[in-house]
Amino acid sequence: KQEVTQIPAALSVPEGENLVLNCSFTDSAIYNLQWFRQDPGKGLTSLLLIQSSQREQTSGRLNASLDKSSGRSTLYIAASQPGDSATYLCAVRGEGGFQKLVFGTGTRLLVSP
Amino acid sequence: NAGVTQTPKFQVLKTGQSMTLQCAQDMNHEYMSWYRQDPGMGLRLIHYSVGAGITDQGEVPNGYNVSRSTTEDFPLRLLSAAPSQTSVYFCASSKGRLDEQFFGPGTRLTVL
Repeated sequence: KQEVTQIPAALSVPEGENLVLNCSFTDSAIYNLQWFRQDPGKGLTSLLLIQSSQREQTSGRLNASLDKSSGRSTLYIAASQPGDSATYLCAVRGEGGFQKLVFGTGTRLLVSP
Repeated sequence: NAGVTQTPKFQVLKTGQSMTLQCAQDMNHEYMSWYRQDPGMGLRLIHYSVGAGITDQGEVPNGYNVSRSTTEDFPLRLLSAAPSQTSVYFCASSKGRLDEQFFGPGTRLTVL
């Protein structure tokens, strides 16, 4: 059974810092991995989707990497801003069978001015 | 494009009542799904649909029904609400099942 873990559960940094959020998964047979952002009381906003054949994806100040064989992905946020404060979720989609999306429980990020 | 929309935003029910959570998307996506989000448990898949007229169960389907008569709409019905169904419900859609998922703003449901 696929399990997705995100560590740390919460992170607090001053504005301007570069930071890395971690996502690990137990079954490396994945089709893709998606990073989301969730603001309090809101829905999920898709940030990046990485296919299993890709090593990384970039969007603006965000860079997501994928090491499928070791079961890890990282989300790198450059020059963090208070507007980046949110909960970040990763989700993996398995290759076989039902191919459902399995979510981690998220990292809550606070960027202080 | 409005994307994925959900109504209502908030709902309070008494045990045993029934209701329908509405979900609509205007992106002509074939795949739609319903999740519930509970503290410490992440999001869990309730039901999904790969196209109009086709639905199937996810990992936590008990107590919920769905139907998909059009590409745009995918309502979720609670047959007889229970306190264990207190949660935040999210609808999502994608072009195909394996593609990037887009989520609605959620419905916060409380069952007393």
